Amino acid sequence: AQTVTQSQPEMSVQEAETVTLSCTYDTSESDYYLFWYKQPPSRQMILVIRQEAYKQQNATENRFSVNFQKAAKSFSLKISDSQLGDAAMYFCAYKGNQGGKLIFGQGTELSVKP
Amino acid sequence: DGGITQSPKYLFRKEGQNVTLSCEQNLNHDAMYWYRQDPGQGLRLIYYSQIVNDFQKGDIAEGYSVSREKKESFPLTVTSAQKNPTAFYLCASSMAGRSYGYTFGSGTRLTVV
Repeated sequence: AQTVTQSQPEMSVQEAETVTLSCTYDTSESDYYLFWYKQPPSRQMILVIRQEAYKQQNATENRFSVNFQKAAKSFSLKISDSQLGDAAMYFCAYKGNQGGKLIFGQGTELSVKP
Repeated sequence: DGGITQSPKYLFRKEGQNVTLSCEQNLNHDAMYWYRQDPGQGLRLIYYSQIVNDFQKGDIAEGYSVSREKKESFPLTVTSAQKNPTAFYLCASSMAGRSYGYTFGSGTRLTVV
């Protein structure tokens, strides 16, 4: 069975600085998708970024980018120029061939200091 | 605007009661999902449905039941058999296919009183 692990329960970053959130996963599949979701205090889940396993190029969305290392099964999220609004719980998620199910990590709570 | 609506936002259940959480979407998505969120445990899958009149158990289905009589609706019933139902419940929907992420509802906070 696939698993997703986020080893950092909490992270902190200074406003305008850069922070990287870690995620590792375990799978025997070769074709899959990986996602990062943001859950602010409102608890509304928001899709941040998506990466296809077959694409070598790392995905980017404005200040958000990923470092996807397929062989190492690592999928980290980099947030540049951190803003107060980035403070949230961040979840890494995996989607393979099992009925469209998203498998989530435990989450990393990011705080942003002014 | 298209979206996914969960109601109520807050729900209180007495011991031994069944309660039903509503989830409705107007995105024309085929698949719908129910997750439970507890502190430090991420999101755990309760039930999911890929087509009308069909659904599958997730990782923590015991004490829960669902129905999918319409494409737009996927209600979750928390039965009295669920011994620890206090949690935040999230409903999501998705187009079919691996490349699609989920659209989430705003959640229901269930508390046992």
